[in-house]
Amino acid sequence: QVQLVQSGAEVKRPGSSIKVSCKASGGTFSDYAISWVRQAPGQGLEWIGGVIPVFDMSNYAQAFQGRVTMTADPFTSTAYMELTSLGSEDTAIYYCARGREVDIAVPPVVPFYYYGMDVWGQGTTVTVSS
Amino acid sequence: VLTQPHSVSESPGETVTIACIRNSGSIASGYVQWYQQRPGSAPATIIYDNNQRPSGVPDRFTGSIDVSSNSASLTISGLKPEDEANYYCRSYDSSAAVFGGGTRLTVL
Repeated sequence: QVQLVQSGAEVKRPGSSIKVSCKASGGTFSDYAISWVRQAPGQGLEWIGGVIPVFDMSNYAQAFQGRVTMTADPFTSTAYMELTSLGSEDTAIYYCARGREVDIAVPPVVPFYYYGMDVWGQGTTVTVSS
Repeated sequence: VLTQPHSVSESPGETVTIACIRNSGSIASGYVQWYQQRPGSAPATIIYDNNQRPSGVPDRFTGSIDVSSNSASLTISGLKPEDEANYYCRSYDSSAAVFGGGTRLTVL
């Protein structure tokens, strides 16, 4: 059974950037979509975006366009999410989650179908404070 | 946008239904998932593809969609104290994916 282990908690200054990692163990990685979701204190879940490593494809929620980059390294089975220009509103727990397996012979027409979450990481707490 | 009731409550052993109304576009344009999140824990998937349960999820949890009301529903029967949690629906279309605002279930 695959497990997703995320990097540890971080405190960042406003205006800086953060890069959170998500390492998969116990299962395959590159043939699956990976989503990133965040949860501000006391708030609901917010989809940030996702990446499909085998096709080097990424999709981002409009609210994060231009500020987020999601990548994946299939050799280390690790996904990354980098968020720039941090503000206090970015204080949240950030989760990675494995989505659906893709057919490597057919690039996804509707990639958002594959970003439905299956296995979740434990979350990474990011605090933005001066 | 997906709209959920802020909270629902019911007694142990009873049945509760949580609605997820799609405000734009058709509910049938993207599969619906449901996630359970207990306090202090990461979310867990309990329904995918509108009505499918991952292995290990009890059949007390049932998902469905209703095209006429453009909504999805999560029904939990035989409520147990451990079902007390936040529940989120999630869906997508050709251009975006989105979560509902979440529903706090209290098992009285």
